[in-house]
Order: sequence, then structure tokens, then C-alpha cells
Amino acid sequence: KNEVEQSPQNLTAQEGEFITINCSYSVGISALHWLQQHPGGGIVSLFMLSSGKKKHGRLIATINIQEKHSSLHITASHPRDSAVYICAVRWGTSGSRLTFGEGTQLTVNP
Amino acid sequence: ETGVTQTPRHLVMGMTNKKSLKCEQHLGHNAMYWYKQSAKKPLELMFVYNFKEQTENNSVPSRFSPECPNSSHLFLHLHTLQPEDSALYLCASSPGTSSYEQYFGPGTRLTVT
Repeated sequence: KNEVEQSPQNLTAQEGEFITINCSYSVGISALHWLQQHPGGGIVSLFMLSSGKKKHGRLIATINIQEKHSSLHITASHPRDSAVYICAVRWGTSGSRLTFGEGTQLTVNP
Repeated sequence: ETGVTQTPRHLVMGMTNKKSLKCEQHLGHNAMYWYKQSAKKPLELMFVYNFKEQTENNSVPSRFSPECPNSSHLFLHLHTLQPEDSALYLCASSPGTSSYEQYFGPGTRLTVT
């Protein structure tokens, strides 16, 4: 069982919909990352956060340390948002090591 | 353009071959990483280098041999691989190994026949 759980595994939406992807983890962390992976493999770092909320364009990431839970929201979704979204955590004592979730495959239809 | 390049992008090799994957970062970072992404599995850390020194080896089999000649270049030398080693191999870099964002390369899609 992975210590980083993402839901849903697959998500299909219509263009313009508000999207939420969830990430839960098991113990205390020093940081949580949201990554985006497009077909072909390239990965882009979207956010790194350890508390509160961050916003970049149509993307919003939140984290609740007490509940060990983070969400990634996409407002006004677009077909170009179709990708795999990956949550990764740096545990409190793990130094440089990240543990990754299995990813959420998002498909946004026009 | 992420500032991290990997070559080759695709590689097919037999189990008796020896090949190398190359990663180069143009970001002035001090830490570099190798990750493996197998089908239907989460990304797995393989190795971490910080200032050219290996700081993490995630119990990787010896048929994978990393080399970091300087902070900008990272190699993964491959020999006597198995078909189950077929995967996407991703390189990443970051300013250091503490809580920094990591910047990923495009990956090398490796197929072992």
C-alpha cells in the first residue's frame, strides 16, 4: 500500500468544469509537491507547499497539515490540461527523498 | 524548455548490451537525481547526487551504475539489464537536496529486449 494516496485515479471532465484532485499521506511531511506529466513523459513541477494555499493562474493547491491532505484545483478546465497529475511528499526526516502517488489521469473534453 | 536535457530520448537494447543515459542541467543546480517510472507504478527514486557526491542509493541493482563527473552532468550506465528494467528513466535537478522544487528532464524511454 502506497503511503501517498491519490484520488480519483482517472477523471474525465468537460471543458470549463472545475476540477479537484486529492492527495492523502500517512505521517508528517516537510513539503508536498504537485507535478504534471504530459504524454511522452516530461514532468513539470506545479507547486511545492508546506502549509496553506498557493495559486498560479487557473491552478490552486491547498494543504491541511492536521488532516494530512492536499487538493489540487483547476478552474475553467481546458483540453490542454489533460495530463497525469502526481502528488509527491517529502517526509519530515527523509532528506532529499520524495515519495510519489500513483497519479491521476485527467482528460478534459472539448 | 525545462533546462534539463536527457539523451537519448528512446533506447532499445538487448540484455547483453552496455549503454549509457546522459542528463545535463543548465540551471546551476547542485543536486541531481535519477528516477525510474515503470508502467502503472509510481515514480521511484534511484540515486541522488549532491555536489557530485552520491547521497542516496535506493537499493538499486548493480547493473545500474551512476556517474556524476560534475554538478551539471549525470550518467546512468546500463549493463546486463533485464526486460523488467524497461521503463521511463527521468533525471531531475534542484538547487540543493533540502526542500526545493525539482526540475525534470523529458526522460529516456528504455526497452530491454
